[in-house]
Amino acid sequence: RKEVEQDPGPFNVPEGATVAFNCTYSNSASQSFFWYRQDCRKEPKLLMSVYSSGNEDGRFTAQLNRASQYISLLIRDSKLSDSATYLCVVNNRGSQGNLIFGKGTKLSVKP
Amino acid sequence: NAGVMQNPRHLVRRRGQEARLRCSPMKGHSHVYWYRQLPEEGLKFMVYLQKENIIDESGMPKERFSAEFPKEGPSILRIQQVVRGDSAAYFCASSPARAGAGDTQYFGPGTRLTVL
Repeated sequence: RKEVEQDPGPFNVPEGATVAFNCTYSNSASQSFFWYRQDCRKEPKLLMSVYSSGNEDGRFTAQLNRASQYISLLIRDSKLSDSATYLCVVNNRGSQGNLIFGKGTKLSVKP
Repeated sequence: NAGVMQNPRHLVRRRGQEARLRCSPMKGHSHVYWYRQLPEEGLKFMVYLQKENIIDESGMPKERFSAEFPKEGPSILRIQQVVRGDSAAYFCASSPARAGAGDTQYFGPGTRLTVL
């Protein structure tokens, strides 16, 4: 089983749609969780950290279910500029350890 | 505050040559990580360094690859005798040194290595 698994997509949605991405991780001792965004041929950029209580940043909501080892990202009112690959990322060592990346879910928002 | 800097951005080498990739972390960061992204693949961890120390090199191939982060200057990822399979994007990330600063890693723009 892969350490971090994501649906590769692509997800093709119209502007204004709500889209949800899911991710599972295999190590129950994982400590930190993130969503990164990667545009084509660019570096990953941190979108948001994910906390057990769930957290929201504008149109983006992240949820963590430790019991199920499941992470989600919800994007509301999607914009053309949201088109990118969304990377689910886990850190097994807490502070200052290497990140484990999923392969990413590609999102394409159409006008 | 400049972000993580990497150079060169693009590097072309012939099989058997050496590749040197450089990374300057964000100001105030003393932890550096190197990741490799093969075409159509996710990022894979290679090595984690602090100044003058290799902390974790569990993701580094045993042969031909080495990394350093000297007291002065950038971190260097060195690939000797490159092969076509080394063609990839190599990303460097940095994080803060101070305790309690969290584990957010900030990525540089990457070096795209092409081996002919």
